[in-house]
Amino acid sequence: AQSVTQPDIHITVSEGASLELRCNYSYGATPYLFWYVQSPGQGLQLLLKYFSGDTLVQGIKGFEAEFKRSQSSFNLRKPSVHWSDAAEYFCAVGGGSSNTGKLIFGQGTTLQVKP
Amino acid sequence: GAVVSQHPSRVICKSGTSVKIECRSLDFQATTMFWYRQFPKKSLMLMATSNEGSKATYEQGVEKDKFLINHASLTLSTLTVTSAHPEDSSFYICSARDLAGGAKTQYFGPGTRLLVL
Repeated sequence: AQSVTQPDIHITVSEGASLELRCNYSYGATPYLFWYVQSPGQGLQLLLKYFSGDTLVQGIKGFEAEFKRSQSSFNLRKPSVHWSDAAEYFCAVGGGSSNTGKLIFGQGTTLQVKP
Repeated sequence: GAVVSQHPSRVICKSGTSVKIECRSLDFQATTMFWYRQFPKKSLMLMATSNEGSKATYEQGVEKDKFLINHASLTLSTLTVTSAHPEDSSFYICSARDLAGGAKTQYFGPGTRLLVL
């Protein structure tokens, strides 16, 4: 079955500290992987995406993610968190040969940033 | 970047009335748009895939007669919640795939908060 798991429902980090949000997926075909961020009451903003090639991808706002096929993971990282990064983060997987465009979302991780 | 808008941003209606939500891709064409529903503190639930010029494809458990979708152009899809009831209150989000970008990436609208009294 196709699924995305974000093991951490809630994470709290201090401002300036590093961050890693975990994402594991189960997908039968070559996955397209995405990280989105959602502020309260807002839509989703694309942080970064992976289709193929270099497994370390850079995104907006200083975020990066690494695709590890052997671990079926696509963890999101940021070296120094800012207070404005507090939000809900969603990992999603889609793609494959049919490329219907449907995305499967993880449950989300709420990031809280301490001053 | 690709921008998707939704209108209205929030709406309050009486039980039994119908509500239409618009989703527009502002600077790109989208043959496919998606409609999601999000409950508080929850992830997104795909309701249906909206295809330009053809019928929408609904996910299992979503009532197509309840949630009418029309995708009349490459930049506009509408979701109409018919005979709305309080349990339909939710946050509805649309997304659109950018054709020019190989249609691999979905860009999301800001969402519409629906409250049915």
